[in-house]
Amino acid sequence: EAEVAQSPRYKITEKSQAVAFWCDPISGHATLYWYRQILGQGPELLVQFQDESVVDDSQLPKDRFSAERLKGVDSTLKIQPAELGDSAMYLCASSLTLRDTEAFFGQGTRLTVV
Amino acid sequence: TQLLEQSPQFLSIQEGENLTVYCNSSSVFSSLQWYRQEPGEGPVLLVTVVTGGEVKKLKRLTFQFGDARKDSSLHITAAQPGDTGLYLCAGSAYGQNFVFGPGTRLSVLP
Repeated sequence: EAEVAQSPRYKITEKSQAVAFWCDPISGHATLYWYRQILGQGPELLVQFQDESVVDDSQLPKDRFSAERLKGVDSTLKIQPAELGDSAMYLCASSLTLRDTEAFFGQGTRLTVV
Repeated sequence: TQLLEQSPQFLSIQEGENLTVYCNSSSVFSSLQWYRQEPGEGPVLLVTVVTGGEVKKLKRLTFQFGDARKDSSLHITAAQPGDTGLYLCAGSAYGQNFVFGPGTRLSVLP
């Protein structure tokens, strides 16, 4: 069954260090999302791609966060420098098209900043 | 700005009981999704509703979209421990990204 792949599953890093997450969406899905989910809350959108282009990054803290999807397939999300408040689950999702209302999620990366 | 509210925030019930959780907004949504998320995992899509008044059933789960497309409910019949998890609704207004509610955390005790 097709699924969204994310790695690593868990990451512990010290504050001020750099950290990166990787996501491979379902094959053929043009739209890719990165979400951040703080414990006990719903996911919040960080950035949305349509193919290799950023559609929405209005909620991405651009002073420390960056995201790319260079070839319009897999994507990386980077944080530099990491802060204690960045500890959260980082979820990647994909959907077939920009107007598709159904998104499929990966298992997420649990980040702990110490 | 779209805003989705979910109630109750927490729910703990005994196996075999019925329950209903709610998702409400002041915005009109073109579609609404329900997801279930288990600890340490990503959300799993359960259903999408798009038509006002629409009712969909998934085994013991019944989903309803309000007539005005501003609210939705999820009813579980004869809950089982395997139903335990965080139930998230997500709505998409016309031309906008879908947003998530804060979720209802359900615990079904054996």
